Amino acid sequence: DVKVTQSSRYLVKRTGEKVFLECVQDMDHENMFWYRQDPGLGLRLIYFSYDVKMKEKGDIPEGYSVSREKKERFSLILESASTNQTSMYLCASSSTGGMDTEAFFGQGTRLTVV
Amino acid sequence: KQEVTQIPAALSVPEGENLVLNCSFTDSAIYNLQWFRQDPGKGLTSLLLIQSSQREQTSGRLNASLDKSSGRSTLYIAASQPGDSATYLCAVNRNRDDKIIFGKGTRLHILP
Repeated sequence: DVKVTQSSRYLVKRTGEKVFLECVQDMDHENMFWYRQDPGLGLRLIYFSYDVKMKEKGDIPEGYSVSREKKERFSLILESASTNQTSMYLCASSSTGGMDTEAFFGQGTRLTVV
Repeated sequence: KQEVTQIPAALSVPEGENLVLNCSFTDSAIYNLQWFRQDPGKGLTSLLLIQSSQREQTSGRLNASLDKSSGRSTLYIAASQPGDSATYLCAVNRNRDDKIIFGKGTRLHILP
């Protein structure tokens, strides 16, 4: 079974804190993604990475950065958390090889910024 | 810019009925299309992946079709059950190493 694991299920952080959300996949996938999901807005892409140390901005990168030092790990960083970053964060991975390019998701991290 | 639309936003049907969920996309130059299921407060579970060269995929009571030229996909659920209640999302990408773009989903409620 493909596993995409997010480090926390629930997080509560204070405004201004630096926040790290970690995501690890065990299927040697090249692509990894970070989305946030808000009611009425659907899933919005923050950043994605198609290889180690490579990253591309998604639709809403402001206030976020990412790190991919190893193939299996993709970290999302909130440089200075704000209340409007309260959301569900979802990590995903997919392969670029062959025909099997199915994307798999982690269980999500519900972040509350107070 | 690729846009993915799912209509209706919500749907309630009695148990046992067959139903169809719709997904449309504006740019037909897709690499693949994927259907997901999401239960409240949880992550997404992959249901079916259709490559751009394929017309349909089946898994159990689920059948997904793809008409690239018209920018449409449907997810057919046979003999619906209360356990099928969830939000169903479709998503497309342009290349295998490109971002995945989602619709906002259809919230399905199966009435016992």
